[in-house]
Amino acid sequence: ETGVTQTPRHLVMGMTNKKSLKCEQHLGHNAMYWYKQSAKKPLELMFVYSLEERVENNSVPSRFSPECPNSSHLFLHLHTLQPEDSALYLCASSQDSGGGPNEKLFFGSGTQLSVL
Amino acid sequence: GQNIDQPTEMTATEGAIVQINCTYQTSGFNGLFWYQQHAGEAPTFLSYNVLDGLEEKGRFSSFLSRSKGYSYLLLKELQMKDSASYLCAVRDPNTNAGKSTFGDGTTLTVKP
Repeated sequence: ETGVTQTPRHLVMGMTNKKSLKCEQHLGHNAMYWYKQSAKKPLELMFVYSLEERVENNSVPSRFSPECPNSSHLFLHLHTLQPEDSALYLCASSQDSGGGPNEKLFFGSGTQLSVL
Repeated sequence: GQNIDQPTEMTATEGAIVQINCTYQTSGFNGLFWYQQHAGEAPTFLSYNVLDGLEEKGRFSSFLSRSKGYSYLLLKELQMKDSASYLCAVRDPNTNAGKSTFGDGTTLTVKP
């Protein structure tokens, strides 16, 4: 069993659809993250949750809505996306989010999202 | 602001040594991470440096100079499986919790 699991692996959606990405970590970590990875661009941090509280919202459009019901689960709800939102969405967790080596990230396999 | 620079691409020969550089300009510093990402896969953690010097871990070593805003990842005895993208990420304590800034990554191709 991998440490961080994400579903689905691939998602194709129209601009009017609503979908959700799911992430689960089995590492007992306190922090969870959503990152966006686009071609030719660096990893972009979208959201950080620490102990189920959102501690970072990196100017992400409201069409992306995160949810963290407990320290092991993280969702990213998607609605009325644009074609430029097509990218690899990566979930990650870390022991904590206060800096230092405990902030090393464990990534899930990602969801390759295509918006038509 | 934050600025992380890495070479875009590098090529090396199997069995050789390669050094991947990362320079950074941040308002503060609280550690530098290196990650490896194979095509189509998630990044995986390689190393963490917060003090100056060399950290060795098997075939991989990472070096840090805080005064120069500089780090490198050294890969020895290269293998074909080392072909991947290598990501440098810097943690600035003046940013919000959990916010490491990533460089664009260096794509390393190992040839026979």
